[in-house]
Amino acid sequence: QKEVEQDPGPLSVPEGAIVSLNCTYSNSAFQYFMWYRQYSRKGPELLMYTYSSGNKEDGRFTAQVDKSSKYISLFIRDSQPSDSATYLCAMSARGAGNMLTFGGGTRLMVKP
Amino acid sequence: GAVVSQHPSRVICKSGTSVKIECRSLDFQATTMFWYRQFPKKSLMLMATSNEGSKATYEQGVEKDKFLINHASLTLSTLTVTSAHPEDSSFYICSARGTENTGELFFGEGSRLTVL
Repeated sequence: QKEVEQDPGPLSVPEGAIVSLNCTYSNSAFQYFMWYRQYSRKGPELLMYTYSSGNKEDGRFTAQVDKSSKYISLFIRDSQPSDSATYLCAMSARGAGNMLTFGGGTRLMVKP
Repeated sequence: GAVVSQHPSRVICKSGTSVKIECRSLDFQATTMFWYRQFPKKSLMLMATSNEGSKATYEQGVEKDKFLINHASLTLSTLTVTSAHPEDSSFYICSARGTENTGELFFGEGSRLTVL
């Protein structure tokens, strides 16, 4: 079993839809949670960074962490074609040198 | 946010030659940098952790003599692919962590290596 599981997709939605991206993890030591967006042939871009359970909102993006269920989500409201990319979840444990463990990424396609 | 610059973005070389890729933190000092490799439609695979002023720590299965990493300053780490072969063709990405122990990483744009 992988430490971080993420549905690879592809996930296809119409423009304007609410998108839900999810990751589950097995290591209870993970304390920091991140979402990255990666366009084709580009490096990953940090979207959201959280370290506590609950919700964090930034514009159209909301990151949700449920440590009791070992489950994190990224919601995208009013999705746009420009949101089409691969979304990677990543997490790290305190005191582990901040090594990141990545999910496999979910490919999202937002159709006009 | 912090900026990490990676150069070159694309490189094509002949088999048997060596290629150097640079990773720079532009507006912060990076005590630790990470090098990843990404195959098409796959997630990032950590190759090694580079600490300023000390030897890099390589992940299992990564040849240290093949992938030479140097972190000579707090703003620069280099990855040299020695005696490159076509199977080394890949997308290489670096990331840097600042001196604050927050866990955030900032990524370079990546370097696409094609070995003919």
